[in-house]
Amino acid sequence: DGGITQSPKYLFRKEGQNVTLSCEQNLNHDAMYWYRQDPGQGLRLIYYSQIVNDFQKGDIAEGYSVSREKKESFPLTVTSAQKNPTAFYLCASSMREFVSGANVLTFGAGSRLTVL
Amino acid sequence: AQRVTQPEKLLSVFKGAPVELKCNYSYSGSPELFWYVQYSRQRLQLLLRHISRESIKGFTADLNKGETSFHLKKPFAQEEDSAMYYCALSGAGGTSYGKLTFGQGTILTVHP
Repeated sequence: DGGITQSPKYLFRKEGQNVTLSCEQNLNHDAMYWYRQDPGQGLRLIYYSQIVNDFQKGDIAEGYSVSREKKESFPLTVTSAQKNPTAFYLCASSMREFVSGANVLTFGAGSRLTVL
Repeated sequence: AQRVTQPEKLLSVFKGAPVELKCNYSYSGSPELFWYVQYSRQRLQLLLRHISRESIKGFTADLNKGETSFHLKKPFAQEEDSAMYYCALSGAGGTSYGKLTFGQGTILTVHP
């Protein structure tokens, strides 16, 4: 069953704690992305990675960190520096083709983080 | 800077009525426009993209560069069209690939 798996589905965290969200894909996609989804604000890009061992900041990277040690995996850490971390987080991936497929994203089911 | 605006947070229509979800964009170059859809309890997925010029599930969208719009239209709405719809934009190719800018989303409800 090909696709993107995000875990955990729901996560609760106390203030001041770091938490890591997992994202794994078996689509052999080169690029992976993390978006944050808030009501009324759409999806905002946190970080993206076009290739293993390389990643770039998106529009709202402050308070987040990522790694891309394997092609299949792109974990996101929400640090205690993130001022408003309660949100729904979506991971996505895409092919690397610049012409046709690179902007067609395949999304995971999402992880909902709640800070208590 | 690129921006996508969906002016309607909520849109309600009756089954069989025409529906139009509005999307306006701001981008200085040549954009690539998409509509993504999220049905209840399902993942966000691509509905259509302007370069394909396809009709998917009866929906069409035409890129109007003069009005900087990419409205999504369907002549006869069905109850199964009820979902959250996002308009998204990317710069064409190069370093912009995969970096989509999304609108705020429109929740479409089709009443029986």
